[in-house]
Parts: sequence; C-alpha cells; structure tokens
Amino acid sequence: AQSVAQPEDQVNVAEGNPLTVKCTYSVSGNPYLFWYVQYPNRGLQFLLKYITGDNLVKGSYGFEAEFNKSQTSFHLKKPSALVSDSALYFCAVRDRGNFNKFYFGSGTKLNVKP
Amino acid sequence: GAVVSQHPSRVICKSGTSVKIECRSLDFQATTMFWYRQFPKQSLMLMATSNEGSKATYEQGVEKDKFLINHASLTLSTLTVTSAHPEDSSFYICSLTPGPTAAYEQYFGPGTRLTVT
Repeated sequence: AQSVAQPEDQVNVAEGNPLTVKCTYSVSGNPYLFWYVQYPNRGLQFLLKYITGDNLVKGSYGFEAEFNKSQTSFHLKKPSALVSDSALYFCAVRDRGNFNKFYFGSGTKLNVKP
Repeated sequence: GAVVSQHPSRVICKSGTSVKIECRSLDFQATTMFWYRQFPKQSLMLMATSNEGSKATYEQGVEKDKFLINHASLTLSTLTVTSAHPEDSSFYICSLTPGPTAAYEQYFGPGTRLTVT
C-alpha cells in the first residue's frame, strides 16, 4: 500500500536555528515528492518538489529538501528558522503512473520560538 | 502557479439543508479538479476527483449522493453537501494540477469552513 509518514507531530526550534521536518514514503516505483505549508484556516501552499536530478531541491521562502532514495526519505530543511515559519507542513507523494493519486502525510506542526 | 479560489470561505447551515461550495480556477483551464476534506489537526482526505463534462470519481467510503460534484466548465467545479448533518462539519479544500502529468504540483484553494448546527 502507498503511504507517507511524517513521524513527528510537532517540531520545536528556536529562531535562527536550523530546522528539519522529516518525511518517509512507501510508494512503488519512483514517485514525485512534494512539500506544502498550511497556515491556520488556509489552503495548502506549494513549497518545493522533487522530480528528478539533483537530490537537493530548493524551494520557496528559503526551504530546501533532500531526496534520499535508499532511505525513501524527503526531509524538509531550512538553515535558519523564522518565527513566521510556524505552520503546519505536509509531505506528499504522487505516483508517476497515476495522475489522480496524491498521498499526504499526517502533517507536522512547526513551532519557531523567538 | 495556478490561482484557485473558493466560495464561500465560511458557511453555517442547519441540519437537513444543502450547501454548495464553489471552486474556481482563475488562470488555468482545468479538466480535473480534486476535492479534499480536512478534520482538525489531521491530514487531507481525498473525497473525489472532478472531471469536466463527466461524472466525478469518488473515493471509497465517500457517499456520492451526499456529496454532489459538478464540473460544468473548465474553470468551475462545485461541491454540494446535501442534507447536511453536524458530522459533515469540516474544512473542504479543492485543488487542481496545471499540467497534464503527475510531475506537476497541485494548487489549492483557500478552503471552506462548513459548520452544520
């Protein structure tokens, strides 16, 4: 079965420190991988995606993610966290062979403290 | 990226009534749109795939007669919650993919908060 795991419900970091939000997946084949951010009572905003090529992907707002095929992981990172980064983050994967199937992780709440 | 709007952003209705939620693509003609439901502090659950000019494809466990989806044009899909009950209270989000392949990301509307009293 296809699945996406975000093992941490919540991540707490101090402003200025690096942050990592973890994501692992179990999807057959070579899926496409995505990260989204959601602010309260809002829809999801696209941050970045991995399709092919360089394992380190850079996206919006200074975020980046590292694709690790052997560990089937796609962790989201940022070198220096901002208080405004506090939000809910979702990892998602899409089966290359199925346009209509988008699998979301359970979400990780990021708290950045001043 | 594509711009997606939803209307209304919030709606309160009484049990037994029906509510229609609109999802519009403002700058892209979408043959396919997706409808999700999100419970508090939980992930998104795909309800159905809306196909322009044809019937929607519903996920297992989603009642098609209760959640009516109409995709009448390339820029508009509607979700109607019929005979609403308090347990239908949730955050409903639509999305679309501005491209023909799975390599494209989804763009999401701002969501509609439905409260059934």
